[in-house]
Amino acid sequence: GQQLNQSPQSMFIQEGEDVSMNCTSSSIFNTWLWYKQEPGEGPVLLIALYKAGELTSNGRLTAQFGITRKDSFLNISASIPSDVGIYFCAGLNYGGSQGNLIFGKGTKLSVKP
Amino acid sequence: NAGVTQTPKFQVLKTGQSMTLQCAQDMNHNSMYWYRQDPGMGLRLIYYSASEGTTDKGEVPNGYNVSRLNKREFSLRLESAAPSQTSVYFCASPEGGSGSFGYTFGSGTRLTVV
Repeated sequence: GQQLNQSPQSMFIQEGEDVSMNCTSSSIFNTWLWYKQEPGEGPVLLIALYKAGELTSNGRLTAQFGITRKDSFLNISASIPSDVGIYFCAGLNYGGSQGNLIFGKGTKLSVKP
Repeated sequence: NAGVTQTPKFQVLKTGQSMTLQCAQDMNHNSMYWYRQDPGMGLRLIYYSASEGTTDKGEVPNGYNVSRLNKREFSLRLESAAPSQTSVYFCASPEGGSGSFGYTFGSGTRLTVV
């Protein structure tokens, strides 16, 4: 089946540093989504991208939908301790089967104050 | 998380026992999903229901059954629990019908099978 390769698997950074993570796929997606999961909670949607080349920001977060439609990037600027969590990318193709949201394996972010 | 409620939050089962995980959404969405999350594996789809009265297998359906009781509720049943089913289970429902605006997840059920 379809798979997403998300990297890095984990990051340990100092407060104030910028963070970059990405997802790649062998398949094309219509939509890319980025989620954050905090301990003991379900994933929460951060950013949704709908068009190849689209660049979207949500506060200190910026995400891009790759031109090839096979990749996406998430950047976090000036990290703070509450950015700690696991970040997941997800690719979606709609219009066919309903069960078609594919998740990456996550990037675990640790921020040292 | 707002809109999707899961119960219980924690459960410990002995091998061979059965249990049902409950999920309810108050967003009037047609679709509902069950995922499991294991360390380093991301979220994998177990079963989904595109609408009331329909269910379909996802990526990892073996050992599970589901029931779409009505539009609000979608339950996941383990008939004979195995240690390999130790995991965190999430129920989700998509925004915007097709999910193009993302999925809303419940807060999860942490299941341990001993």
